[in-house]
Amino acid sequence: DAGVTQSPTHLIKTRGQHVTLRCSPISGHKSVSWYQQVLGQGPQFIFQYYEKEERGRGNFPDRFSARQFPNYSSELNVNALLLGDSALYLCASSLVSGSSYEQYFGPGTRLTVT
Amino acid sequence: DQQVKQNSPSLSVQEGRISILNCDYTNSMFDYFLWYKKYPAEGPTFLISISSIKDKNEDGRFTVFLNKSAKHLSLHIVPSQPGDSAVYFCAAYSGAGSYQLTFGKGTKLSVIP
Repeated sequence: DAGVTQSPTHLIKTRGQHVTLRCSPISGHKSVSWYQQVLGQGPQFIFQYYEKEERGRGNFPDRFSARQFPNYSSELNVNALLLGDSALYLCASSLVSGSSYEQYFGPGTRLTVT
Repeated sequence: DQQVKQNSPSLSVQEGRISILNCDYTNSMFDYFLWYKKYPAEGPTFLISISSIKDKNEDGRFTVFLNKSAKHLSLHIVPSQPGDSAVYFCAAYSGAGSYQLTFGKGTKLSVIP
């Protein structure tokens, strides 16, 4: 079975630009979460979507937004990019939303903002 | 304010010996804990989990122990293999209906052949 897939693998953007990252969950999984991992830190929660609705949002500015499509794939959008947005962006899927459900991660998108 | 703390940034262990990775937490609402392994240029891979109603969970070479009173958990790998060399993250959910995983900063394990 295919795991979580993310595209693109790498991305270089300039400050002030906009970026869209994409994620396809494991087949049958209805929940998608997004995390940001900067060097030397653990992943930080950004959003979770379940059945196309936002279930939760972490401590990130409004420049970050996301959505989930009817096929449960998801997009993460970041506007007005800052140098500090350079990070590995991870997508994770789970069967449902909620505690005690393991989240399975994709390989990530490495975003570099110059 | 780190709610999940992995105080050892790195650990080196001889092949065949036991690796013990530690994790402390401060949020008493955490009720489900997970360990992930991460290789460079890959996403975290789920290893093993434990509910707060248990104190031990075992899966092959991996065992997780939970001490609720001390707010401490540990991951034991026996025997350690060179392929286990990776960064290990401890993560936690806080209560029923929680959807957000809170991660520690990770511990880099090196298994020396």
